[in-house]
Amino acid sequence: EPEVTQTPSHQVTQMGQEVILRCVPISNHLYFYWYRQILGQKVEFLVSFYNNEISEKSEIFDDQFSVERPDGSNFTLKIRSTKLEDSAMYFCASSLGQGQLFFGEGSRLTVL
Amino acid sequence: DQQVKQNSPSLSVQEGRISILNCDYTNSMFDYFLWYKKYPAEGPTFLISISSIKDKNEDGRFTVFLNKSAKHLSLHIVPSQPGDSAVYFCAATGGGTYKYIFGTGTRLKVLA
Repeated sequence: EPEVTQTPSHQVTQMGQEVILRCVPISNHLYFYWYRQILGQKVEFLVSFYNNEISEKSEIFDDQFSVERPDGSNFTLKIRSTKLEDSAMYFCASSLGQGQLFFGEGSRLTVL
Repeated sequence: DQQVKQNSPSLSVQEGRISILNCDYTNSMFDYFLWYKKYPAEGPTFLISISSIKDKNEDGRFTVFLNKSAKHLSLHIVPSQPGDSAVYFCAATGGGTYKYIFGTGTRLKVLA
């Protein structure tokens, strides 16, 4: 069964450092997403990406965040200068359109 | 603005009995609803979905009911099994957007 894969599974970084989280969405999917979940809280929408551009983003997704699909298979989330409050599980997801959203296993980011 | 709400943070049910998880939404433009199950440190796993043109969808032990006039959906699990113990999130999308909004989650514990 096709799946969304994410790397790394866990990253520890110092405050102010740049972090790149990587995702390989399901190959024929068209829509790509990043969500995050701070420990014990809800799954929060960050950004959606379609046709090589951001289609929607939340207020959380400020200038410190960026997304890229550099080579047609990977989908990356970059946090330029991490803050303590960026510590969370980051989930990549993909879909064909309106329908089931497939999630990866998540990347745990710990900012010290 | 909490567009999707799950007012019960937790629920305990005896094995073999019915589990009923509830979800309310405020945006009348939502037209597609999903339920996800999530274990700690894993990505959400799709369970079942329903389109706004239906009021019920069934898949094995899982049934989702949609009451559009009340802007309410529920997930029924019958019979409940200990392996069903997890956090359940409802999600909604629609109205010209492919953004999926998640509720706050309900932690289900099925007691053996």
